[in-house]
Order: sequence, then structure tokens, then C-alpha cells
Amino acid sequence: SAVISQKPSRDICQRGTSLTIQCQVDSQVTMMFWYRQQPGQSLTLIATANQGSEATYESGFVIDKFPISRPNLTFSTLTVSNMSPEDSSIYLCSARGSGTTSTDTQYFGPGTRLTVL
Amino acid sequence: AQSVTQLGSHVSVSEGALVLLRCNYSSSVPPYLFWYVQYPNQGLQLLLKYTTGATLVKGINGFEAEFKKSETSFHLTKPSAHMSDAAEYFCAVSDQGGGNKLTFGTGTQLKVEL
Repeated sequence: SAVISQKPSRDICQRGTSLTIQCQVDSQVTMMFWYRQQPGQSLTLIATANQGSEATYESGFVIDKFPISRPNLTFSTLTVSNMSPEDSSIYLCSARGSGTTSTDTQYFGPGTRLTVL
Repeated sequence: AQSVTQLGSHVSVSEGALVLLRCNYSSSVPPYLFWYVQYPNQGLQLLLKYTTGATLVKGINGFEAEFKKSETSFHLTKPSAHMSDAAEYFCAVSDQGGGNKLTFGTGTQLKVEL
């Protein structure tokens, strides 16, 4: 399995500002993902973070709003840009397992709880 | 396209009673199916998964689930609920080989009462 940490764990931000969330995996992984969990809702995939190339965004999510970096095989960042109260959510990073037994599973970080005022 | 339906957004059981959380899926390819649990203010933890082979899979904390292709279901059960099982449970389906995009159900909040 993969152990994933995220920073910050929570933040309160003002409208119009941006926040960058960091995701660190304890081992090299091929695929990393970013999800959003709006209050009382399920998880929705924002994008797949590709190492060495641009992220692949899901319908309804755009790079200008959610720029993603993936500089190496253990680290990724998600920026929430020009925030509005509607961006208040939990943002979760996940990684596809590596090795012979867990490549069919995604492991999740603890999440970043964002509140936009 | 894939989808997951979890019947019952809230389920309440007595401690020691059977837990049954329902999940039905739709997939155009053989599915990989997962159950995750989310405790308050925490991320998601994998409970169990079905990929191929045996259709009854056992997970952590005494939970198990059975893949029934004819019913397109993957219901989660536990014979005897414990107070510590109170959490939100998410069923998810994967499109290709399990390591790629996950589509989640809307979640079921489990409450365990004395």
C-alpha cells in the first residue's frame, strides 16, 4: 500500500485568493489523482496528475481554475485559484498502488478541508 | 460510462446487529469494485475490493462483500455491528483495471446505537 500525506490539513481563505495543496506519497507511484468532496456529497474526480506532462481534467474542471503540478513520482500539488465560497470542500489526493499486489487500488490522503469566506 | 447507486443515505443499526449496506453498479466492462470507509474528519480507508476470482471478498474489521454479476450488486455486510463502525461508507467502481478513475456512490452514513 501507499501512505499519503497532505498539507495543509485545513485552511480558511478569503474570496479571490488562491491556495496550493501539497500531496506527498511515501513511494514512487505511476498515477496520482485529485478529488473534491463538497459538503455532504460524494467524491468527484477533478483530474489525473501525470508525471512529466499536463494533467488530464474531468468534465467540468479546467486548468485555469485547478492547475496541477506533478514534478516527480512521489509529489503533486493542486491549486484552487480565484476562490469563491462554492469552492469550500474537502480536497483529497490519491495514488495508485505500486508493486505486485496493489496496482489495482487507489489509496487516499487525509484530505484538505477548505473553507472560503 | 459507469455509475454506482447506494440505496439509503443513512442506515441505523443496533450494536450487535447485522450491517447491510447496499451498492449497485453499472459498467460496460468487467468492473473492479471497492468499498471505502471515511471516519469523521479523516480521509478514505480501503475496506475491501473485488477484482477477479472469488466473488465473496473479506476485508478489514470483519466486513465482507459479495459480487453478484446477475444482480449488478456489491453489498457490504458485517454480522455484528460495533460502535466503532459508525462512519460513512462509499462504494466505488473503476473503469480500467482498478488503478484508474474511480466513480463513487453518494455514500451511506452508518449509525450504530446501543
